[in-house]
Amino acid sequence: NAGVMQNPRHLVRRRGQEARLRCSPMKGHSHVYWYRQLPEEGLKFMVYLQKENIIDESGMPKERFSAEFPKEGPSILRIQQVVRGDSAAYFCAGAGGSSYNEQFFGPGTRLTVL
Amino acid sequence: RKEVEQDPGPFNVPEGATVAFNCTYSNSASQSFFWYRQDCRKEPKLLMSVYSSGNEDGRFTAQLNRASQYISLLIRDSKLSDSATYLCVVLTGTASKLTFGTGTRLQVTL
Repeated sequence: NAGVMQNPRHLVRRRGQEARLRCSPMKGHSHVYWYRQLPEEGLKFMVYLQKENIIDESGMPKERFSAEFPKEGPSILRIQQVVRGDSAAYFCAGAGGSSYNEQFFGPGTRLTVL
Repeated sequence: RKEVEQDPGPFNVPEGATVAFNCTYSNSASQSFFWYRQDCRKEPKLLMSVYSSGNEDGRFTAQLNRASQYISLLIRDSKLSDSATYLCVVLTGTASKLTFGTGTRLQVTL
């Protein structure tokens, strides 16, 4: 059973470009959480999705950020018109099945905005 | 006030030492509590869940005091491989989102 997969692992964008981060949770896990970790800071919750539904997006910036988890395929975190302050590590975590409260983290995507 | 507060450290201890980390949380409605470990530039990994009765896993012991909203982690007989950042994590709300402390850095030396 493969672990949580995220790609790309590293992403470099220039200011104003779009960034798309992908996350595939473990098989059988239908809940996905996205977290952001700024340099030298703790992880901050961004959004919680189940298949085709956004359950809680209270941690998402109101503009430029969106997330989806379609019926088929990975969850996508999309950042439009990136700025330098978006540079961070973005981790997704999957949960579900019998271990509902336990979240399994992917290796993260390190976004660098030039 | 931060939702989850930890001493950032770093804690520098020799191999074989016992070290204790503390954490406080502000939301009395929090339901579940965890310690995660994060190595440099890696993802957080669950170390152990924390229960009111206290729980032990090998050299690691975790305690929860709901009345004081206080969580602790004790590491006995520290190993070089224990060097990492230890994250106190609280699960709150129906959406089960995790709230992380900023972490306590541990460096175990020879």
